[in-house]
Amino acid sequence: ETGVTQTPRHLVMGMTNKKSLKCEQHLGHNAMYWYKQSAKKPLELMFVYNFKEQTENNSVPSRFSPECPNSSHLFLHLHTLQPEDSALYLCASSQDAVAASSYEQYFGPGTRLTVT
Amino acid sequence: KQEVTQIPAALSVPEGENLVLNCSFTDSAIYNLQWFRQDPGKGLTSLLLIQSSQREQTSGRLNASLDKSSGRSTLYIAASQPGDSATYLCAVFYSGGSNYKLTFGKGTLLTVNP
Repeated sequence: ETGVTQTPRHLVMGMTNKKSLKCEQHLGHNAMYWYKQSAKKPLELMFVYNFKEQTENNSVPSRFSPECPNSSHLFLHLHTLQPEDSALYLCASSQDAVAASSYEQYFGPGTRLTVT
Repeated sequence: KQEVTQIPAALSVPEGENLVLNCSFTDSAIYNLQWFRQDPGKGLTSLLLIQSSQREQTSGRLNASLDKSSGRSTLYIAASQPGDSATYLCAVFYSGGSNYKLTFGKGTLLTVNP
């Protein structure tokens, strides 16, 4: 596989469930990102990992818990979500998160999450 | 705080027409600007990237311009086709704290009618 892949593509979960989103990049990048895209809103940056270290948490509620075990994989663990958390969650990667010359981000297809 | 605005929010045109999408940003201290395409329920596909030192970039029927001092960019699509129907997103890349960040507009939903 090439590029950035995300699984699952669609997820329906209840408010008391625990689930995880997975992202994998095959580009040899060192930085990975989670974005949230809600209806009628711009993409919102959630988390940034650079060389496996979390370098950005954009005031995201603790019911979203990211994990980056290595530079190729990124997870978003979900628990006790609210209906307003229903959105498209996009993963992206780039060569580096702190060097402007190597920033270009490549996006995965997203996970469509519905919280019931 | 960087804010990106895209006008119009939606645009419907007949096939073959040339069209322009607009993007404006509040902080002109950007490194570059990127235009993306997003099909319904899908991820983002990068179309064009303009460095802050550049004025325009071209790819096929697409031409993007950048006026950094006035905080504006346009995406020109020539001879539009139904396959161009999608949401077009503008994003500026700037330094925000310890990371370089992409800030997105809400997008323009383009429909090209056969």
